[in-house]
Amino acid sequence: DIQMTQSPSSLSASVGDRVTITCRASQGISNYLAWYQQQPGKAPKLLISAASTLHSGVPSRFRGSGSGTDFFLTISSLQPEDVATYYCQKYNSAPFTFGQGTKLEIK
Amino acid sequence: QVQLVESGGGLVKPGGSLRLSCAASGFSFGDNFMSWIRQAPGKGLEWIAYISGDDYTIHYADSVQGRFIISRDNAKNSLFLQMNSLRADDTAVYYCARRDPAGPHTDYFDFWGQGTLVTVSS
Repeated sequence: DIQMTQSPSSLSASVGDRVTITCRASQGISNYLAWYQQQPGKAPKLLISAASTLHSGVPSRFRGSGSGTDFFLTISSLQPEDVATYYCQKYNSAPFTFGQGTKLEIK
Repeated sequence: QVQLVESGGGLVKPGGSLRLSCAASGFSFGDNFMSWIRQAPGKGLEWIAYISGDDYTIHYADSVQGRFIISRDNAKNSLFLQMNSLRADDTAVYYCARRDPAGPHTDYFDFWGQGTLVTVSS
């Protein structure tokens, strides 16, 4: 099975900073990659699909990029409400594996 | 609006069984693939099962294959997860989630329920 590895596992940044999270697949998955945000105590929310397509209602400061094995989630200007754990998920075929998560905090 | 509401969680002894339900509303349930995804306390997300709208396609993660059964009742807009031979490492919040209906290769999840907690302990 394809493994998904995120880095870093945790991240602390200041409001207004540009933040980038990396997700690496152990084999190529084309652009079958989604990103989710899970705020504390809540269910995950879809942010991005097809590696770079922003889901309806998601702020434009979120951007996804990458293809093949290396993918990136960038927040262009960090806001307090972005405190959350972020997960990538591959969906080229079952099993639909998630990365282990990146916990984002505000300094 | 799309709503998914899970129920049926609770405390169960190792080796026991439990049946989770997910009530769906706000969309054409029978036309949509649905999944169960779980999250152990303080841990990440694990996809565990998937069913097509017509029951024809079903997949399981290796971790639950042979112990869990996913099913649905389209007349009642409901998704189920029958969990048997439960183990301590099945302890988790269980979410039901809708696959994005946008196309044939959209196996990501655009709506999630709030989750129901299953605790397996003696």
